[in-house]
Amino acid sequence: DQQVKQNSPSLSVQEGRISILNCDYTNSMFDYFLWYKKYPAEGPTFLISISSIKDKNEDGRFTVFLNKSAKHLSLHIVPSQPGDSAVYFCAASGASYDKVIFGPGTSLSVIP
Amino acid sequence: DGGITQSPKYLFRKEGQNVTLSCEQNLNHDAMYWYRQDPGQGLRLIYYSQIVNDFQKGDIAEGYSVSREKKESFPLTVTSAQKNPTAFYLCASSKQGAGIAGDNEQFFGPGTRLTVL
Repeated sequence: DQQVKQNSPSLSVQEGRISILNCDYTNSMFDYFLWYKKYPAEGPTFLISISSIKDKNEDGRFTVFLNKSAKHLSLHIVPSQPGDSAVYFCAASGASYDKVIFGPGTSLSVIP
Repeated sequence: DGGITQSPKYLFRKEGQNVTLSCEQNLNHDAMYWYRQDPGQGLRLIYYSQIVNDFQKGDIAEGYSVSREKKESFPLTVTSAQKNPTAFYLCASSKQGAGIAGDNEQFFGPGTRLTVL
């Protein structure tokens, strides 16, 4: 029973365009969401997070949007660069949880 | 400089043998975690520890064991009871347990790829 879903296993985007990665969650008790980026044979690195009291958080080229009513969040990368090619994991947590729940990941390919 | 290290990077084991994966952090983090990643899958939690001398089972703890005798160390033993141990293992740490939201992201090590021959 996946509590955090990333329904697109892969995504290809042209360099310079926008990449939109989507994530859905089922548990309304989640109140903190994170995105991680992972290159092959390396550990994930933290990218950006958002608390449920916000609907948007921006950090440079990366913006995360949260729609609580739809239990949906998305990561926007603008403009996309070839170095952004990686697997992106959506993760969720909350005050009631002592662990983070990760989604299955979306593999992003940015084509030069 | 601070970080989280895992050793070895590649590990080969014969079927039926126990093997221990090392994880060390010098970030002064209270919480540490072990995840397993299989091809095409996300991260699955094996064990986690929120404080020294305490740890809890994650979603797939069967066939694994851990210890947390020191704050900076959280070794994972893959026992012969683990049916399918070949995978990429990731260790992570965070300032506090994940139940505390905000500024509490997990920092990951580089991973250990375990192959059972």
